[in-house]
Amino acid sequence: DARVTQTPRHKVTEMGQEVTMRCQPILGHNTVFWYRQTMMQGLELLAYFRNRAPLDDSGMPKDRFSAEMPDATLATLKIQPSEPRDSAVYFCASGLVAFGNQPQYFGPGTRLLVL
Amino acid sequence: KQEVTQIPAALSVPEGENLVLNCSFTDSAIYNLQWFRQDPGKGLTSLLLIQSSQREQTSGRLNASLDKSSGRSTLYIAASQPGDSATYLCAVASTGAGNNRKLIWGLGTSLAVNP
Repeated sequence: DARVTQTPRHKVTEMGQEVTMRCQPILGHNTVFWYRQTMMQGLELLAYFRNRAPLDDSGMPKDRFSAEMPDATLATLKIQPSEPRDSAVYFCASGLVAFGNQPQYFGPGTRLLVL
Repeated sequence: KQEVTQIPAALSVPEGENLVLNCSFTDSAIYNLQWFRQDPGKGLTSLLLIQSSQREQTSGRLNASLDKSSGRSTLYIAASQPGDSATYLCAVASTGAGNNRKLIWGLGTSLAVNP
């Protein structure tokens, strides 16, 4: 049963600290997405990659957020320095295409609380 | 700018009822429309994807329809069960090629099916 995995599942940190979230996409999927979900804004696309190359990161605050894919089995999202307004659930998703007629498969999310 | 609205925000029904969840979008030029389910503390699961050329899709007790001209989609759940309790999200893929295509999300309808 292929699944997207994310670590950690929960993270509590203090303002100013670095946060790193990791995602392992489904084997064979060449498109990886990072989303952020809050009660007020709902789901927002932060960035996505195809074949490990960043295609769009316009949804990310670039001064503090960075996303990378060191290899096909690992995607990372870093926040440095973190702020209380970054508190949200961060989802990774993978798929065979970007926004085409194939579904995206979501991981369970990382619930981040910045104090 | 595409906007996606889901009404109602919350719905509570007794077990066995047939119910309809609504999704509306402001720009009829869409590539596809997708319905997802989100269980508390978990990621999203793709339920149905309707391509722009299609009018409906069915999976088990779920039926989703699409009317592009009126900017509406409905998700019909037949004979609801307590296990259907979750948040249901609608997402619209905009037209445009390559990196210009996006998924625009509604805020979801939180469904509770009471035994």
